[in-house]
Amino acid sequence: KQEVTQIPAALSVPEGENLVLNCSFTDSAIYNLQWFRQDPGKGLTSLLLIQSSQREQTSGRLNASLDKSSGRSTLYIAASQPGDSATYLCAAGNFGNEKLTFGTGTRLTIIP
Amino acid sequence: NAGVTQTPKFQVLKTGQSMTLQCAQDMNHEYMSWYRQDPGMGLRLIHYSVGAGITDQGEVPNGYNVSRSTTEDFPLRLLSAAPSQTSVYFCASSPTDSRATIYFGEGSWLTVV
Repeated sequence: KQEVTQIPAALSVPEGENLVLNCSFTDSAIYNLQWFRQDPGKGLTSLLLIQSSQREQTSGRLNASLDKSSGRSTLYIAASQPGDSATYLCAAGNFGNEKLTFGTGTRLTIIP
Repeated sequence: NAGVTQTPKFQVLKTGQSMTLQCAQDMNHEYMSWYRQDPGMGLRLIHYSVGAGITDQGEVPNGYNVSRSTTEDFPLRLLSAAPSQTSVYFCASSPTDSRATIYFGEGSWLTVV
């Protein structure tokens, strides 16, 4: 059974800093690894999706990496802004997008 | 383009009552899924569907029922509500391509008293 872990549960950093969020998974037989953002009281918004054959994906100030052999993914956020404050969740897709296994998330606060 | 629409957004039920959470998508996606989100536990898969007429159980299916009569709709039924079903419920949809973006609804907050 796939298990996904995100540490730390909460993180606060001053505005402008670069930061890394961590995600680990136990079963390396994944189709993809995805990162989502969740704002309070809202649904999830897809940020980045890394296919199992890829090592990283980039979108603007966000860069996600995947190391299947070690069961790890990271989300790098450059030049953080207060608007980046949210909960970030990673999810492993072992069979496709209809069945994802989620981590518990990291609640990020950017301090102005 | 509405995306994924969930109704109701908030609901309070008494123990033993039944209800249906509605989910509709207008993107012609084959895959639809229901998750519940509880504090400290992340999202857990309840039921999913890979197309009209095809559904299957996820990690936590007990106490819930689903059907998929059309591509657009995927309702989640609580048969006899229990306090343990107090949670936030999210519906998601995506194309069959595992490289495609998944879209989530804004959630349904359910309290069972």
